[in-house]
Amino acid sequence: EVQLVESGGGLVQPGGSLRLSCAASGFTFSTYDMHWVRQATGKGLEWVSTITTAGDTYYPGSVKGRFTVSRANAKNSLYLQMNSLRVGDTAMYYCAGGTWWGQGTLVTVSS
Amino acid sequence: QSVLTQPPSASGTPGQRVTISCSGSTSNIGINTVNWYQQLPGTAPKLLIYSNNQRPSGVPDRFSASKSGTSASLAISGLQSEDEADYYCAAWDDTLNGWVFGGGTKLTVL
Repeated sequence: EVQLVESGGGLVQPGGSLRLSCAASGFTFSTYDMHWVRQATGKGLEWVSTITTAGDTYYPGSVKGRFTVSRANAKNSLYLQMNSLRVGDTAMYYCAGGTWWGQGTLVTVSS
Repeated sequence: QSVLTQPPSASGTPGQRVTISCSGSTSNIGINTVNWYQQLPGTAPKLLIYSNNQRPSGVPDRFSASKSGTSASLAISGLQSEDEADYYCAAWDDTLNGWVFGGGTKLTVL
């Protein structure tokens, strides 16, 4: 059974940092591009980052320079380092790859 | 303001066929494939359609999709109450160098 399990979310003050993790199982992780997508409460989906199988990374302008995506194929894991967090980054963060999505981890940025 | 444009809402009665449109541009839908996602209330999104019209394993054939030019559409036939959900289209955008989503369409089964 394929599973993507996110962790690392929580409450952080503006300007703070968080590192999200996504543990993958049930498929050959190293052969898939992986993505982070977020969703603020009551809002639509917003793409946050992509890392390809070759390690190339892509970000939208809203997070570029603040967020860094990485992967550890030996550990079947995806990461998102989030720095200089803003209130507007508050959202559920989903890990996705292939045809699969995780259940999300909630990030709340508030003072 | 989403890069891809979807109607905010759609509705139908059980058994009906409904369609949801997704309008983009030459830098996204015009040159790249479209995915569709279903998000049931309170749950994570689920891939419904990939590569314009391909269904992942387990997705009923009541769900179909097509693409023409810079627009795409999702069709749901034999509408069921459990189809009530938010539906999103997405495509890679070559100008933005990233994924873009539609704003989502809330489907109500009357």
